[in-house]
Amino acid sequence: DAGVTQSPTHLIKTRGQQVTLRCSPKSGHDTVSWYQQALGQGPQFIFQYYEEEERQRGNFPDRFSGHQFPNYSSELNVNALLLGDSALYLCASSADVEQYFGPGTRLTVT
Amino acid sequence: AQSVTQLGSHVSVSEGALVLLRCNYSSSVPPYLFWYVQYPNQGLQLLLKYTTGATLVKGINGFEAEFKKSETSFHLTKPSAHMSDAAEYFCAVSPNDYKLSFGAGTTVTVRA
Repeated sequence: DAGVTQSPTHLIKTRGQQVTLRCSPKSGHDTVSWYQQALGQGPQFIFQYYEEEERQRGNFPDRFSGHQFPNYSSELNVNALLLGDSALYLCASSADVEQYFGPGTRLTVT
Repeated sequence: AQSVTQLGSHVSVSEGALVLLRCNYSSSVPPYLFWYVQYPNQGLQLLLKYTTGATLVKGINGFEAEFKKSETSFHLTKPSAHMSDAAEYFCAVSPNDYKLSFGAGTTVTVRA
């Protein structure tokens, strides 16, 4: 059984560009959450998707948006990239209270 | 609102010694509590969780944690450290099955 998968593994973008990160949840999971982990810090909650709707959102600007597809996979989109958006972006899937994390996408903004 | 405080950003222990990582939380409702481990350049792996029931929770790799409501604490322990325990550890709290709020993390180094 494949766990949570994320693509790409690494990404380098320039300020002002837009980026899309992808996540496939663990089999049987219908909920996907996204977190941002800056270097040396704990993960920060961005938002959670359930039944293709954003169920809860953290303290992130509208430049961060997402989508969940009927097969429960999800995308995170970030517009107008800033240097401060450089971080590890983690996707987690769940069917109940326990969240399973993917390996993350390392985004570098130059 | 929920918040998590991990006391000590770095902990160094000798191989075979006790590992103790401290976590205190604040929550307006009885929370779910978690400990995750992160190895370099990897995602987070769940060590253990407390939802309801027994307050002493056993997890993987010999780790355990005790939920103390009166002290709002959920400290993580392992009786005997192994070199493979060197990693970053995160305590997290959730009021429901939605968002996790993480502490800043504690880096554990193990001395031979």
